[in-house]
Amino acid sequence: DAGVTQSPTHLIKTRGQHVTLRCSPISGHKSVSWYQQVLGQGPQFIFQYYEKEERGRGNFPDRFSARQFPNYSSELNVNALLLGDSALYLCASSLGTGGYEQYFGPGTRLTVT
Amino acid sequence: AQTVTQSQPEMSVQEAETVTLSCTYDTSENNYYLFWYKQPPSRQMILVIRQEAYKQQNATENRFSVNFQKAAKSFSLKISDSQLGDTAMYFCAFMTDSGGGADGLTFGKGTHLIIQP
Repeated sequence: DAGVTQSPTHLIKTRGQHVTLRCSPISGHKSVSWYQQVLGQGPQFIFQYYEKEERGRGNFPDRFSARQFPNYSSELNVNALLLGDSALYLCASSLGTGGYEQYFGPGTRLTVT
Repeated sequence: AQTVTQSQPEMSVQEAETVTLSCTYDTSENNYYLFWYKQPPSRQMILVIRQEAYKQQNATENRFSVNFQKAAKSFSLKISDSQLGDTAMYFCAFMTDSGGGADGLTFGKGTHLIIQP
């Protein structure tokens, strides 16, 4: 079975631009979570979606938004990019919420110049 | 808010040795889950082991085992018979059990483990 997939692998954007990152969960998984990992740090929780509804949100500004589609894939959108948004963005899928194991994708490396 | 602390930024051991990585956490919750993840240089985060706080028995997964001390809020990872492929960043992570609610993983800053040949 395929694992969690993310696209694109790498992305370079300019300050002020908008970016969309995509994630496909493991087949059968209904929950997708997004994390931001700055170089040298552990991942920080951004969002969790379950059955197409937002179930949780970390301490990130409103420039960050996400959605989940009927096939359980997900998009993370970031508006008005700042240099500080440069990071590895990780998507994780799980069967549900509340303690289920989360399985991570390979990530999207975003560089903002 | 929950916090996770990994006090060892880097560790280095010889192949075949046993190594223990430390993790402490702070929470007022009674029900929660603890995890160890491994992130090799390829950057893919891999789940190593999971522990449910209400279970007293320590989780094991082949060469990997944990020492879970709930009262001390400690959750260490022991790797036995270490192999070169174990070289990676290891992250300790915490998740509350909010009954199907909204909590993501809270990660520590990680321990860089180097296995020397």
